[in-house]
Amino acid sequence: GENVEQHPSTLSVQEGDSAVIKCTYSDSASNYFPWYKQELGKRPQLIIDIRSNVGEKKDQRIAVTLNKTAKHFSLHITETQPEDSAVYFCAASRWGSQGNLIFGKGTKLSVKP
Amino acid sequence: NAGVTQTPKFRVLKTGQSMTLLCAQDMNHEYMYWYRQDPGMGLRLIHYSVGEGTTAKGEVPDGYNVSRLKKQNFLLGLESAAPSQTSVYFCASSPPGLAKNIQYFGAGTRLSVL
Repeated sequence: GENVEQHPSTLSVQEGDSAVIKCTYSDSASNYFPWYKQELGKRPQLIIDIRSNVGEKKDQRIAVTLNKTAKHFSLHITETQPEDSAVYFCAASRWGSQGNLIFGKGTKLSVKP
Repeated sequence: NAGVTQTPKFRVLKTGQSMTLLCAQDMNHEYMYWYRQDPGMGLRLIHYSVGEGTTAKGEVPDGYNVSRLKKQNFLLGLESAAPSQTSVYFCASSPPGLAKNIQYFGAGTRLSVL
């Protein structure tokens, strides 16, 4: 079955710096890769996703890149702000399958003002 | 439109007690999921359902049972709670069709088993 590994487990940056979180997956049939943000005490919320027919997707200050050959994908946050502080989860799935997501273990991002 | 609603929000049980967690969604979603979240372990799938009357095991199903008698509700049961089941439980749902991979989460239930 699919296995998703996420690094680093914690990340601390200064406000205004960039942050990068990386995930690798094992199942070459996976083709859908969402990222969820979970603020302290809140529910996970989808912030961006990418399908394997594209290599990069951007939404304002966040972007996701995908390397199918190496089976890894990354979340990039530019110009970080204190409100970006949260736990970020990557996941992998087969688009159009039963919908099951396999999650990474999460990265706790701290943005220091 | 409330989305995904979980009840209760908090619960404390004694070892051996039973309880049921309720997940309700008002988005007419076909797929529903139960996860547990433990520190450093991410979100692990307990059970899921692909439609009314169906259930299936996920990654960590032992000690839990589920039922989906109505499309909008997905119940998670603990028959004999153990301290290892202390966790935060999240329910999620996703729509039918190609978007079934996009999951919407409830606010979670924090369960402590003493």
